[in-house]
Amino acid sequence: GQNIDQPTEMTATEGAIVQINCTYQTSGFNGLFWYQQHAGEAPTFLSYNVLDGLEEKGRFSSFLSRSKGYSYLLLKELQMKDSASYLCAVRALKAAGNKLTFGGGTRVLVKP
Amino acid sequence: DADVTQTPRNRITKTGKRIMLECSQTKGHDRMYWYRQDPGLGLRLIYYSFDVKDINKGEISDGYSVSRQAQAKFSLSLESAIPNQTALYFCATSETGFEQFFGPGTRLTVL
Repeated sequence: GQNIDQPTEMTATEGAIVQINCTYQTSGFNGLFWYQQHAGEAPTFLSYNVLDGLEEKGRFSSFLSRSKGYSYLLLKELQMKDSASYLCAVRALKAAGNKLTFGGGTRVLVKP
Repeated sequence: DADVTQTPRNRITKTGKRIMLECSQTKGHDRMYWYRQDPGLGLRLIYYSFDVKDINKGEISDGYSVSRQAQAKFSLSLESAIPNQTALYFCATSETGFEQFFGPGTRLTVL
């Protein structure tokens, strides 16, 4: 099975940097996703890591260490519109249907 | 027009009623998924389908059933709704099991 942990809530100031950690325990790993979800809306894809290291996409970066079962999402130059929940999800192996298992989400509140 | 649509968007029903939530997609994806979301619990997979003839249970399928009527349509049914099925329900699609595209969600309240 899969077990995924991430903090429930974080607060940061506009223009600052916030790092959202995600730890996972899995019986078969085939990639880690980060999704953003604004209140009352559908989740939208942010990033994907399958190999160790950092993936950068504009103001957002995602890091993965498979040996540690650890990932983080880094949000730089925070804007008010970044206030949302951020969901970490681990993908199972193809033999298990490539299913995604989601963490509980981290709600980020950006203050002026 | 949205690529993944869900109907209804909101529904209030009573315990014991049968409810159907519908999902349609115009993305041409073979893979479709139903999730429920509860505060603090993230998204949990109910059922998923890789094509019209392939239906699989997720982690919380008890009390739910699905029908894949066509590549573009995937319906979720609650045969006899109960209050702890009150949640936000999302449908999602995927082409290759990589990125999933989510519908707008259905907020279901069971009284």
